[in-house]
Amino acid sequence: KAGVTQTPRYLIKTRGQQVTLSCSPISGHRSVSWYQQTPGQGLQFLFEYFSETQRNKGNFPGRFSGRQFSNSRSEMNVSTLELGDSALYLCASSRGTGDLYEQYFGPGTRLTVT
Amino acid sequence: KQEVTQIPAALSVPEGENLVLNCSFTDSAIYNLQWFRQDPGKGLTSLLLIQSSQREQTSGRLNASLDKSSGRSTLYIAASQPGDSATYLCAVNNFGNEKLTFGTGTRLTIIP
Repeated sequence: KAGVTQTPRYLIKTRGQQVTLSCSPISGHRSVSWYQQTPGQGLQFLFEYFSETQRNKGNFPGRFSGRQFSNSRSEMNVSTLELGDSALYLCASSRGTGDLYEQYFGPGTRLTVT
Repeated sequence: KQEVTQIPAALSVPEGENLVLNCSFTDSAIYNLQWFRQDPGKGLTSLLLIQSSQREQTSGRLNASLDKSSGRSTLYIAASQPGDSATYLCAVNNFGNEKLTFGTGTRLTIIP
């Protein structure tokens, strides 16, 4: 079974631009979560989507948004990029139902804002 | 607010030794706890998941234990190998949903 895939793997953007990251979950998984990893703050939860609806949200500004499509693929968008948005963005998928909630992570997208 | 701490931040041990990594959390009302490893610049690989009703889980040379009442979990690695070198992260699920609260990780180096 294929794992979680993320595209692109690397991105370089300029302050003020916007960016869209993509995540394809494991087949059969309906939940996709997004995390930001930085050296200073570690791994922080951004949001989670299940069946095209945002189900959980972390403490990030409105510049960070996401969506999920009917095939469970998810995109994350960051508008008006700031230098502090430079990070490794990880997505994770899970079945989204049942009682295990085991998360499987993708390889991440490394975003550099200059 | 849940806080997860991992001590030490870095650990170096000679190959072949058994070792223990620690994870502590402030809110003991957890749903489950998951251990991950992360290689430099890469994503997270799930190692073990312990549900709140369990005391331990084993996979190969890895054994994870959970003591909810004291807010602690340990990851035991037997007969360490250079390939075990990575950062190990524990993550707590408090709400029975997909939101995980991560520790800051322990960077493990196995010396050949």
